[in-house]
Amino acid sequence: ELKVEQNPLFLSMQEGKNYTIYCNYSTTSDRLYWYRQDPGKSLESLFVLLSNGAVKQEGRLMASLDTKARLSTLHITAAVHDLSATYFCAVDGPMIKAAGNKLTFGGGTRVLVKP
Amino acid sequence: DAGITQSPRHKVTETGTPVTLRCHQTENHRYMYWYRQDPGHGLRLIHYSYGVKDTDKGEVSDGYSVSRSKTEDFLLTLESATSSQTSVYFCAISIDRTQPQHFGDGTRLSIL
Repeated sequence: ELKVEQNPLFLSMQEGKNYTIYCNYSTTSDRLYWYRQDPGKSLESLFVLLSNGAVKQEGRLMASLDTKARLSTLHITAAVHDLSATYFCAVDGPMIKAAGNKLTFGGGTRVLVKP
Repeated sequence: DAGITQSPRHKVTETGTPVTLRCHQTENHRYMYWYRQDPGHGLRLIHYSYGVKDTDKGEVSDGYSVSRSKTEDFLLTLESATSSQTSVYFCAISIDRTQPQHFGDGTRLSIL
């Protein structure tokens, strides 16, 4: 059974500083997704990481994937208030019957950026 | 934004009543998913569909059934609602496994 753990669960950030969110998973996978959720809202796709060593960057966010270590990181550079949200990683399980993505989500990291 | 509509957006009902949630997409995507979101659990997959009339269970499927008679519609049914099924339910769609899932706005379901 695939298990996905994120840490920390809560991250209080100061504006202008750098932080990292970690996503560990328990079984082999080479597909990992990062999402953002604002309070009371839907989930917004941030990154799709499809192979070992994949790195994606958008603005102040950068995500990477190490499939051998079963670890993905989401790095936030020079945090700003607009990045306050909950961030989820999700790992794709083994392909079964061409069944699409069977995602297992981490528990989420709630980020609060303070001035 | 992906064309996904969930209905209803909010519902309050009583234990033991049947409930059906609807997910409608205008993207013609093959894959559709139902998740529930509860504090501390992230999102958990209930059921998913990989084509018309093709569905399978996710990790928390007990007490739920689904149907997909048309590409655009994916229905989630709680045959006899229980208080433990109080949650926010999200529908998602995807075109293939190399693309992210896109999520609807969610349905907040309260079972008293």
